[in-house]
Amino acid sequence: EVQVVQSGAEVRKPGESLKISCKGSGYRFTSYWIGWVRQMPGKGLEWMGIIYPGDSDTRYSPSFQGQVTISADKSISTAYLQWSSLKASDTAMYYCARWSSEVPYYFDYWGQGTLVTVSS
Amino acid sequence: AIQMTQSPSSLSASVGDRVTITCRASQGIRNDLGWYQQKPGKAPKVLISTASRLQSGVPSRFSGSGSGTDFTLTISGLQPEDFATYYCLQDNNYPWTFGQGTRVEIK
Repeated sequence: EVQVVQSGAEVRKPGESLKISCKGSGYRFTSYWIGWVRQMPGKGLEWMGIIYPGDSDTRYSPSFQGQVTISADKSISTAYLQWSSLKASDTAMYYCARWSSEVPYYFDYWGQGTLVTVSS
Repeated sequence: AIQMTQSPSSLSASVGDRVTITCRASQGIRNDLGWYQQKPGKAPKVLISTASRLQSGVPSRFSGSGSGTDFTLTISGLQPEDFATYYCLQDNNYPWTFGQGTRVEIK
């Protein structure tokens, strides 16, 4: 059974660092892109970026380039989203999702979301 | 970046109504568009891929159409479980972009 499971909710202070995770199981992790999506409180979905764990090819939205780092450790089938210095405006729900490997293309399996709260 | 303009931002409808949501791309994206449904507190779920392909397990009252710059999601015969927020997503060109969302509420 395919599963995408994210790490739990986090509370941090502004300026702190954070790394959240997204673990894939039940499929060949290295053969599927994993994307990250932000949803700020009461707002819509924003595409942040995507990584191919097989070779770590990564694409970012310009809105998030330089603000976050997307990475993957294929040895443990886990993708990551990290911040080096959080801001209050990073408070949001973050979803990861698997991109299907063949036509038709779409996000077929989603994580349950990780709520990140940044507050002093 | 390609801008996806989704309309309306919200609508009120009754059970049984036909509902139409549109997404317009700022440049041609062929049929590289999906529609997602999100219910409160839940992750999004795909309804339609490649503009018009109904995903497995999605009721046939949902349909998608369009190509190029103009796309439509239609719900024919709204059901109580369809009250949710709907988003389009273009995957033609990086950065991929979502529409702003359409909240479908009960009238």
